Amino acid sequence: LAKTTQPISMDSYEGQEVNITCSHNNIATNDYITWYQQFPSQGPRFIIQGYKTKVKNEVASLFIPADRKSSTLSLPRVSLSDTAVYYCLVGGGAKKLSFGAGTTVTVRA
Amino acid sequence: DTAVSQTPKYLVTQMGNDKSIKCEQNLGHDTMYWYKQDSKKFLKIMFSYNNKELIINETVPNRFSPKSPDKAHLNLHINSLELGDSAVYFCASSKGDSDAVYGYTFGSGTRLTVV
Repeated sequence: LAKTTQPISMDSYEGQEVNITCSHNNIATNDYITWYQQFPSQGPRFIIQGYKTKVKNEVASLFIPADRKSSTLSLPRVSLSDTAVYYCLVGGGAKKLSFGAGTTVTVRA
Repeated sequence: DTAVSQTPKYLVTQMGNDKSIKCEQNLGHDTMYWYKQDSKKFLKIMFSYNNKELIINETVPNRFSPKSPDKAHLNLHINSLELGDSAVYFCASSKGDSDAVYGYTFGSGTRLTVV
């Protein structure tokens, strides 16, 4: 199971872009990279997933370099409601995943 | 609404009691899970069921017993509750067994407090 490392916390201001980088040096060939968002008193919510290069949806972008040993979640123009914990997961196939401590993103006015 | 729903949302109980948490999903998913989230926000997988069959049973005390009457339901029964069992318990489901590919849908959690 690929181990992931991400910052414990990040602070930002409304309207800024937030980039969270996750390191996963021992990622396996068939592993996907998935990011979840968790608000207080709620369960984590799937936000984006990728295998390589760049993925973009209405919520975020995910950048994965060619070696796939890291990935960066980009949140464009954050608002106060983007304050949450963001988890990076790496896995594939029938692996059952446990989440790390995540990155607590605090957006200030 | 299509979702993963779990009950109760809050549960306060005394040490030594037995309690159950229920989970239901109407997403048509084949796989369901129980996760435990501690005070440091780590989410650890406890159990996984695929089509009513137990496929993952992590190192969890045998006081915890999951039961899946059908593939839409996964309940968690806890015997002889201890202070250390206090946590938020999340139920989740995924479309297939390859959950890293399909992604999880989580319930809103049950905050268990043992006093």
